[in-house]
Amino acid sequence: DQQVKQNSPSLSVQEGRISILNCDYTNSMFDYFLWYKKYPAEGPTFLISISSIKDKNEDGRFTVFLNKSAKHLSLHIVPSQPGDSAVYFCAASARAGGTSYGKLTFGQGTILTVHP
Amino acid sequence: SQTIHQWPATLVQPVGSPLSLECTVEGTSNPNLYWYRQAAGRGLQLLFYSVGIGQISSEVPQNLSASRPQDRQFILSSKKLLLSDSGFYLCAWSKGEGHTETQYFGPGTRLLVL
Repeated sequence: DQQVKQNSPSLSVQEGRISILNCDYTNSMFDYFLWYKKYPAEGPTFLISISSIKDKNEDGRFTVFLNKSAKHLSLHIVPSQPGDSAVYFCAASARAGGTSYGKLTFGQGTILTVHP
Repeated sequence: SQTIHQWPATLVQPVGSPLSLECTVEGTSNPNLYWYRQAAGRGLQLLFYSVGIGQISSEVPQNLSASRPQDRQFILSSKKLLLSDSGFYLCAWSKGEGHTETQYFGPGTRLLVL
């Protein structure tokens, strides 16, 4: 059961334009969401996160939007740069029983290519 | 600042041979530790996590095992490798106290089983 889904395996964008990466989830217990960026043969790098009490979080060129009713989140990158070309993973966490060991459920990833 | 190390970076092993991958974290204490595998063209699959020394939870049944002999050391092992064990193995840590789910990943180990 894929609880976190990234339905677009790849996305191609022109430099300077906006990149929008999408993620859907099915588990209503998820209340914390993260985006990671990964280059080939490297570990993922944390980008930005959002708690379910918010619907938007912004950090420089990166903005994450959360639509709880639709169980959907998206990552906007504006403006896109060639160095943004990488695989982007969304991840979600559910806090249960007052404890948190930080277990994350990841999507399959979306390959972003930004063309000069 | 915190750093996470994994070694080796690349490993080629024959089927049936043993495996030992090591992960260490510096600059923090009592971290939660994780092992993930990324198979070719697929997402990240959580294999094991640990909230303390000697405490290991397995997420999926498999040919692998994990151990945490020290607070900041996490080891992934196998007695006999299978072809299907090939993949990119990632170790990660997160703060062990409070509600923080942000995980920080190591550089990974690429394992090829032939």
